[in-house]
Order: sequence, then C-alpha cells, then structure tokens
Amino acid sequence: GQQVMQIPQYQHVQEGEDFTTYCNSSTTLSNIQWYKQRPGGHPVFLIQLVKSGEVKKQKRLTFQFGEAKKNSSLHITATQTTDVGTYFCAGNGDSNYQLIWGAGTKLIIKP
Amino acid sequence: SQTIHQWPATLVQPVGSPLSLECTVEGTSNPNLYWYRQAAGRGLQLLFYSVGIGQISSEVPQNLSASRPQDRQFILSSKKLLLSDSGFYLCAWGGRGTTGELFFGEGSRLTVL
Repeated sequence: GQQVMQIPQYQHVQEGEDFTTYCNSSTTLSNIQWYKQRPGGHPVFLIQLVKSGEVKKQKRLTFQFGEAKKNSSLHITATQTTDVGTYFCAGNGDSNYQLIWGAGTKLIIKP
Repeated sequence: SQTIHQWPATLVQPVGSPLSLECTVEGTSNPNLYWYRQAAGRGLQLLFYSVGIGQISSEVPQNLSASRPQDRQFILSSKKLLLSDSGFYLCAWGGRGTTGELFFGEGSRLTVL
C-alpha cells in the first residue's frame, strides 16, 4: 500500500538553530499537508501544497513540494521555544477520504 | 465558525469494560468524519471514517466499532477493552468530497488497566 516515510524521528536543536523534516512517498500524491502537534495537544493544520515544485512560506516556516509530487519538506529558520512539538506530513494518494500520514518528527529544543 | 467537540478528555478503564467516545461537529453539514488513534510518541493510525449517516469504513480490524447516528455525531465504541486499546483517540472532520485539511478535536486519552 501507499506509504509516507518521514525523517528524522527526532531532532534536537539549540534555540536559534534551523530545523528540517522530510517526507517521501512511495507514490505520487495529489497534495500534501503539514500539521503541528504540541505536547499533549491535537494536530493542527499548517498548510497544504498542491502544485509540483510549490514553495510556500509562513514567517519562519518554509514548505516545499517536490517536482515529482512524491516528496516534501518543512524547514524552520531560527527555531524558538514555541516551535516545540511534533510535525506531521500527510498526503492524499488515490483516495479522497484518507490521508497517508508520516510518523512525525519531534522538534526538541536543547536546554 | 466550525467547532468540534470530543469527550471525555481522559478516562481510565479496566480490561474487559466497555468504551464509548463521542464526537460532535458544529457549524458544517455533511462532513467526512474520522477516528484516529495515536500511541504514545507515535504517528496517527486511521481507525474509521464516515462519509455519511450510517456509513462507516473500517481501516484496522480490532475490537473497536464506530457509528454515525446523526450527520454531525460520530461515536467510537468497544464492548470489551484490551490493554492494547490504550492510547490517544482523536476525532476529526473534513469537508465533504474534498481532499483538504482535517480539523481535530482535543482528543481522548484512554488508559486501560
């Protein structure tokens, strides 16, 4: 079946350093979404990418969708403590009702 | 605006006891509804989804069941809980016929002892 692999599982950074998480799909995706889950909270939608090669920015966050629509990345510049949480990618494959979720990347700020 | 309510927020249940988690959505009609489970520190596992009243699709065979008695109500049940049912259960809704974003409830944290 369709799978979305997300790496790394964890990333420890000093506050002010950058953070990147990557997602790779086994098949072409119609779109990809990104969610953030704060510790103890529920996933919250961040953004959706639809077009091949699309790049979107939200302040310090940059989202990319690959040319082949099989991979995506989220890059955070100069992390802050408010960025702590787990970031999930989720892609739409051949079903309109089901998202294929990555396992998430947990962003940890070193004390 | 649309809101999603999920309860209870936390529950501790003995093995073999029944379960009922409820989710309601306000401010939208004909939503797609979803139940997900998240084990501690893990990703999201889709359990059930529904595109309409009485229409339930199951993704993972297990001792859980779901029902949608009304358009904006989604219930997750079990007759006899197992230890492995412990986890964080999340209800979500999405627009009908779209591949857009999902809106999640606050979640229900279940511990089976």
